[in-house]
Amino acid sequence: NFMLTQPHSVSESPGKTVTISCTRRSGSIDSNFVQWYQRRPGISPTTVIYENNQRPSGVPDRFSGSIDSSSNSAFLTISGLKTEDEADYYCQSSDGTNYVVFGGGTKVTVL
Amino acid sequence: EVQLVQSGAEVKKSGESLKISCKGSGYSFISHWIGWVRQMPGQGLEWMGIIYPGDSETRYSPSFQGQVTISVDKSISTAYLQWSSLKASDTAMYYCARVVVGASTAGYYYFMDVWGIGTTVTVSS
Repeated sequence: NFMLTQPHSVSESPGKTVTISCTRRSGSIDSNFVQWYQRRPGISPTTVIYENNQRPSGVPDRFSGSIDSSSNSAFLTISGLKTEDEADYYCQSSDGTNYVVFGGGTKVTVL
Repeated sequence: EVQLVQSGAEVKKSGESLKISCKGSGYSFISHWIGWVRQMPGQGLEWMGIIYPGDSETRYSPSFQGQVTISVDKSISTAYLQWSSLKASDTAMYYCARVVVGASTAGYYYFMDVWGIGTTVTVSS
């Protein structure tokens, strides 16, 4: 079917901006919505972005999502990085049927 | 407050059966899909399947069809994930989540808006 590829890790200093990519292999990234989940150690996952760029209530506006058709990728951007943002981040999408795919996850380290 | 409370950690042997649970509260349980997600040690998240408590409609990931059974008891607002014969490779953390199912021009889309804390399942051979 299709895969979502993420970088294994990214790191940046507090206060800076980090962007995580999620590239769709096979099919168009804009053919179905992309979601992003945060999983901090010892804590269950939380949703930080849904429907490409929507933030659930309670998620700070430092988190934003976008789609780029030219690179067939989705992006999660975290600005004003804080130590509490250190976590694994997963993108997720589907093919319109029962096939739902998660990316492999990206570990964000705040230096 | 919307909550999904999962049953506690399990330690089992290969070949044994197991049923873990996920109890919803703080919202209309029968009106929202519930899904299960697996995370094997050191690995990423995997979608297993979902169930609609209102009518028990179930949709499985092709990877998990026939390997597990997802069920629900709406009278007690609880969803279940069940194995008839565990394997060592079933060792993982299992999360339940409330799932939003939407329709777009491309068909269905799914996302999780509330997650349980996870149930660790350890299977020894």
